[in-house]
Amino acid sequence: TQLLEQSPQFLSIQEGENLTVYCNSSSVFSSLQWYRQEPGEGPVLLVTVVTGGEVKKLKRLTFQFGDARKDSSLHITAAQPGDTGLYLCAGYQTGANNLFFGTGTRLTVIP
Amino acid sequence: SQTIHQWPATLVQPVGSPLSLECTVEGTSNPNLYWYRQAAGRGLQLLFYSVGIGQISSEVPQNLSASRPQDRQFILSSKKLLLSDSGFYLCAWSGTGGGKLFFGSGTQLSVL
Repeated sequence: TQLLEQSPQFLSIQEGENLTVYCNSSSVFSSLQWYRQEPGEGPVLLVTVVTGGEVKKLKRLTFQFGDARKDSSLHITAAQPGDTGLYLCAGYQTGANNLFFGTGTRLTVIP
Repeated sequence: SQTIHQWPATLVQPVGSPLSLECTVEGTSNPNLYWYRQAAGRGLQLLFYSVGIGQISSEVPQNLSASRPQDRQFILSSKKLLLSDSGFYLCAWSGTGGGKLFFGSGTQLSVL
């Protein structure tokens, strides 16, 4: 059973375009994290959101946590080749010690 | 500062051979420790996590086992590898109670 579904699975865009990645679940999460992973390396945390409706910005990246804390989105403005990578959402369910990861979105930004 | 070490980086093993992957954390005490497996370009599947020495929780039934002989040491093992055990294995730690995960650099395991 996959708790967190991400869409799209693959995304290839031109430099300068905008994009949105979605992370959806039927379960409620106490917090949700977004990671980016380069090939052959471990994921690196980008942001954590904990409050329903919360919006966080990290330079050209905007993260939003759904009001019901079941979904999240990542919006990138004016994508650059350096944004290329695998984006993973991950969530903690209330009272749990283990982090469940989404299915991943592979982003390629073409110069 | 805290660091996490995972080795080896790559490993090629024949079917039926044993496996031992080791992960150690420095600079923190009583961390939560995790083993994940990742299929190529996909999300991470949690295999085991531990909140203390000798305490192992298994998320999926499989051919693998985990042990935590010391506070900052986490070992992933198998007695006999299967072809389906191939994948990218990641060790991670977090503070007590969860939160941000810090990952090792991973082990690419190929079972032939």
